Amino acid sequence: GAVVSQHPSWVICKSGTSVKIECRSLDFQATTMFWYRQFPKQSLMLMATSNEGSKATYEQGVEKDKFLINHASLTLSTLTVTSAHPEDSSFYICSARDDSGRADTQYFGPGTRLTVL
Amino acid sequence: AQSVTQPDIHITVSEGASLELRCNYSYGATPYLFWYVQSPGQGLQLLLKYFSGDTLVQGIKGFEAEFKRSQSSFNLRKPSVHWSDAAEYFCAVGESAGTASKLTFGTGTRLQVTL
Repeated sequence: GAVVSQHPSWVICKSGTSVKIECRSLDFQATTMFWYRQFPKQSLMLMATSNEGSKATYEQGVEKDKFLINHASLTLSTLTVTSAHPEDSSFYICSARDDSGRADTQYFGPGTRLTVL
Repeated sequence: AQSVTQPDIHITVSEGASLELRCNYSYGATPYLFWYVQSPGQGLQLLLKYFSGDTLVQGIKGFEAEFKRSQSSFNLRKPSVHWSDAAEYFCAVGESAGTASKLTFGTGTRLQVTL
């Protein structure tokens, strides 16, 4: 089946630094990808919808300047957490919609655990 | 706004026993409902989905779920649990018929299987 990878799988950074997380569709093209955030013992919260070649659509309450999304190719979307602070520590998960398959096909990556010290 | 409630945070069952994970939703229109499983180090995997038609939906790995509109529920069931079923299970409601739509997830139920 289709595979979505995320890199890195975990990252620790100092407060004030920026961290980039990559989401790749390995064997299919994805015009649309989604970014989620998951807190311990809580549900996945949709942060934004990433569209190749255009600006991302952010959910209400998500800071656009804080969480920069770039979807420069049909197989890669990146999420950059700028000036990270401890409250940004979380598990970030991406998903990708398969362009060539059925419209209802969405595949999830394994997630990236971010810890900000 | 749509929402999903999974009342059970943690469930423990013996291998071979039956399983039911509860899910209640709140949605103004016809709900599109999904169950996903999340194993450590792996992405969420779709177990099954309900869009319309037969209210009893069959999924992968021997799972099934029943949509009950009167109870706003979409409970996941399995007749006989295997140790490999231990994982986190998420119920979700989508804005449209496709899983590629925006999803609202429940808080998840962690399943532990004892031998």
